[in-house]
Amino acid sequence: EVQMVESGGGLVKPGGSLTLSCAVSRYAFSKGWMTWVRQAPGKGLEWVGRIKTAREGGTTDYAAPVKGRFTISRDDSENTLYLQMNSLKIEDTAMYYCATDLVDFYYWGQGTLVTVSS
Amino acid sequence: DIQLTQSPSSLSASVGDRVTITCRASQYIGSSLNWYQQKPGKAPNLLIYATSSLQSGVPSRFSGSGSGADFTLTISSLQPEDFATYYCQQFYNTFLITFGQGTRLEIK
Repeated sequence: EVQMVESGGGLVKPGGSLTLSCAVSRYAFSKGWMTWVRQAPGKGLEWVGRIKTAREGGTTDYAAPVKGRFTISRDDSENTLYLQMNSLKIEDTAMYYCATDLVDFYYWGQGTLVTVSS
Repeated sequence: DIQLTQSPSSLSASVGDRVTITCRASQYIGSSLNWYQQKPGKAPNLLIYATSSLQSGVPSRFSGSGSGADFTLTISSLQPEDFATYYCQQFYNTFLITFGQGTRLEIK
């Protein structure tokens, strides 16, 4: 069974930085796109961004609210996906999920909570 | 950006009811639409992909239809475990994925 485990969430002050990780097992990680989706408390799902395979140049796409502040990367040797978040804003407070990306999101992690507050 | 508008935003229904949720895109998206179910405190679960293909393991009472800009998710006979929030998601613009705002399905 595929396992996806996010970590790295926590409390951070506005303007601060945080890096989330998503460890993936029992999945052909290096062969697939990966995505981050977030969900603010009591709100709907918001796509954050994705990274394509290394073979495709590891190209990334981002949603407008995070472009220029967030960076998605991957380490195929460790089967791990990352989300580096800089210049965090209060509105970035959310549960962050990683998911496999075949333009549909089938496997998801359990999420890691990021709270941006002074 | 492609905007997705779901209706209704919330819905009360009874076990055994037939329920339909609609998702309207702000432009043509072909058949590039998926549906997810999310229960409180859990990650979303893919139900339907590419408008009408049932994900493996999803009960056959769930079905999807539509094309162009108008889509529907139908639950033919509601079961207690179906009370959840449902989201549509477009992938026509693969560079910028968007979700609908969600439809909360509650027990009447």
